[in-house]
Amino acid sequence: GESVGLHLPTLSVQEGDNSIINCAYSNSASDYFIWYKQESGKGPQFIIDIRSNMDKRQGQRVTVLLNKTVKHLSLQIAATQPGDSAVYFCAEILRSSMDSNYQLIWGAGTKLIIKP
Amino acid sequence: KAGVTQTPRYLIKTRGQQVTLSCSPISGHRSVSWYQQTPGQGLQFLFEYFSETQRNKGNFPGRFSGRQFSNSRSEMNVSTLELGDSALYLCASSPPDSEAFFGQGTRLTVV
Repeated sequence: GESVGLHLPTLSVQEGDNSIINCAYSNSASDYFIWYKQESGKGPQFIIDIRSNMDKRQGQRVTVLLNKTVKHLSLQIAATQPGDSAVYFCAEILRSSMDSNYQLIWGAGTKLIIKP
Repeated sequence: KAGVTQTPRYLIKTRGQQVTLSCSPISGHRSVSWYQQTPGQGLQFLFEYFSETQRNKGNFPGRFSGRQFSNSRSEMNVSTLELGDSALYLCASSPPDSEAFFGQGTRLTVV
């Protein structure tokens, strides 16, 4: 069935280095993708989104890249800081072909660990 | 603007009991979704409500149910609790076709 998955469940990065978190999706009809960050004891928080008519979008220290050819999404965090330690989820919006309904499909999450 | 509010934050129940969790969405958001998150797992979609109607449903047994009121507030109920139901239950609200905003969650422990 349709799914969104993450390549690496845990990623360890040296403080100050760049982090790259990857995500694969299988629904080629999806046109909207979101990255969320979930810190311990908190609900997920929106980081950045991208629509399928774009291949790159930049925020503050974060960049999302979308490769529709291979159905791959990545989140790049520049100059990783201790506060970036969290679980990162990618999600796609899956639209119904029959009506206006939609659903968020979530990946399993990648835990980002920052080494001092 | 107030965020998504979930109550209670923590709950301990015994196997076989039932539980009701509450979620107040951001004002103006009509879509409310519920998720279950267990240790080491990602977010498992339970169901979504829009204008008091269940619009989408995940693959959970019938013991899990929900409803939405006319003011968009939502409740989810779990009957005949099992140990495996121990989890963080997250509620998210969203405007149409936009990112979801999550509450802090309700940590349910079944003993």
